[in-house]
Amino acid sequence: EPEVTQTPSHQVTQMGQEVILRCVPISNHLYFYWYRQILGQKVEFLVSFYNNEISEKSEIFDDQFSVERPDGSNFTLKIRSTKLEDSAMYFCASSEGTGAVLPEAFFGQGTRLTVV
Amino acid sequence: AQKVTQAQTEISVVEKEDVTLDCVYETRDTTYYLFWYKQPPSGELVFLIRRNSFDEQNEISGRYSWNFQKSTSSFNFTITASQVVDSAVYFCALLGNQFYFGTGTSLTVIP
Repeated sequence: EPEVTQTPSHQVTQMGQEVILRCVPISNHLYFYWYRQILGQKVEFLVSFYNNEISEKSEIFDDQFSVERPDGSNFTLKIRSTKLEDSAMYFCASSEGTGAVLPEAFFGQGTRLTVV
Repeated sequence: AQKVTQAQTEISVVEKEDVTLDCVYETRDTTYYLFWYKQPPSGELVFLIRRNSFDEQNEISGRYSWNFQKSTSSFNFTITASQVVDSAVYFCALLGNQFYFGTGTSLTVIP
């Protein structure tokens, strides 16, 4: 069974520090996503990425956030200067396609980010 | 606009009772996909089912069953003979060009 892998599973960082959350999507997938879930709340879309560029982003995804696929296998989410309200579970997902293409979409197990 | 509504915030049932989790969605797309995920206390999202908009057949998998009705834009999830291990938050999601999640239903099964 293919799976999306996220590291680390838990990250604690001081306010103002930069963090990089890492994801290894499924190898033949083309679309990549980051989602965020603040404790006890719904899962919120942050950004989608296709063909080495951002295809869509939400209003949450401001200038503090960036994504990158540095080496063709990893997919990273960087938060430049973390705030307390960035504390959340961050999920990476990948899929073969969207829309009319039958999507096999998989989520990673999440990275719990705690900003102190 | 794409939207998923899970009106039930919390449900408690006694073990062995049946329970139905409601999901209503909105979309203008003619082709879309609906998902249910389980989120146990450990936090990961566990895939339960995927259904495309052209397939309205109901599905049963063990104690789980899903009722998809396009006429009412609903994709309800029933757990038969609930067990304590079913306690979790359950999310319904719509996939268009991205996933749209409902707010989740927290299910507690009391022994």
